Amino acid sequence: AQTVTQSQPEMSVQEAETVTLSCTYDTSESNYYLFWYKQPPSRQMILVIRQEAYKQQNATENRFSVNFQKAAKSFSLKISDSQLGDTAMYFCAFGSGNTGKLIFGQGTTLQVKP
Amino acid sequence: DAGVIQSPRHEVTEMGQEVTLRCKPISGHDYLFWYRQTMMRGLELLIYFNNNVPIDDSGMPEDRFSAKMPNASFSTLKIQPSEPRDSAVYFCASSKWLAGVRQDEQYFGPGTRLTVT
Repeated sequence: AQTVTQSQPEMSVQEAETVTLSCTYDTSESNYYLFWYKQPPSRQMILVIRQEAYKQQNATENRFSVNFQKAAKSFSLKISDSQLGDTAMYFCAFGSGNTGKLIFGQGTTLQVKP
Repeated sequence: DAGVIQSPRHEVTEMGQEVTLRCKPISGHDYLFWYRQTMMRGLELLIYFNNNVPIDDSGMPEDRFSAKMPNASFSTLKIQPSEPRDSAVYFCASSKWLAGVRQDEQYFGPGTRLTVT
């Protein structure tokens, strides 16, 4: 069975600084995808970034980038130039390429301080 | 597109009552997922459908929970009878499977906050 672990329950960062959220996963599948979702206080789940496991290049979306280490089964999210609107809970998720199911980590609450 | 639509947004009910949560997926999406979010257990997949057919209901906690998808544009999650421990936020999500190596992401609805007293 797949598992996703986020070891940082809470983090904080000053506005305009950079922060990295950690995620590790375990799987025996070769065809899979990894996601970071953001859940602000409104509780809406918003996709931040996606990485296909077969791609070696790390995904980037504006201020958000990932460090995907396939051998280590690590998938961290880096947020550059943090903004107050980045305050939210962030979930790492494993997506099975076989079933389409997502397995979520426990989440990391990020607070951006002015 | 309006996105995934869920109703009601909030539901307060008494223990023992039947609760029905509703979901309208994004048009053209062929996968529909029901999740439950609690502080203790995080975000859990309850059940998911492909082309209106339930594929995996192993996350459904007990027989009090049931889900249906009578057509491609509507799904329900029913709890009967409800208990206080069912209090949670219930999300519906949909996705479109792309053949080959790419999987489209899941789009989530706004969630239904259920409180059972």
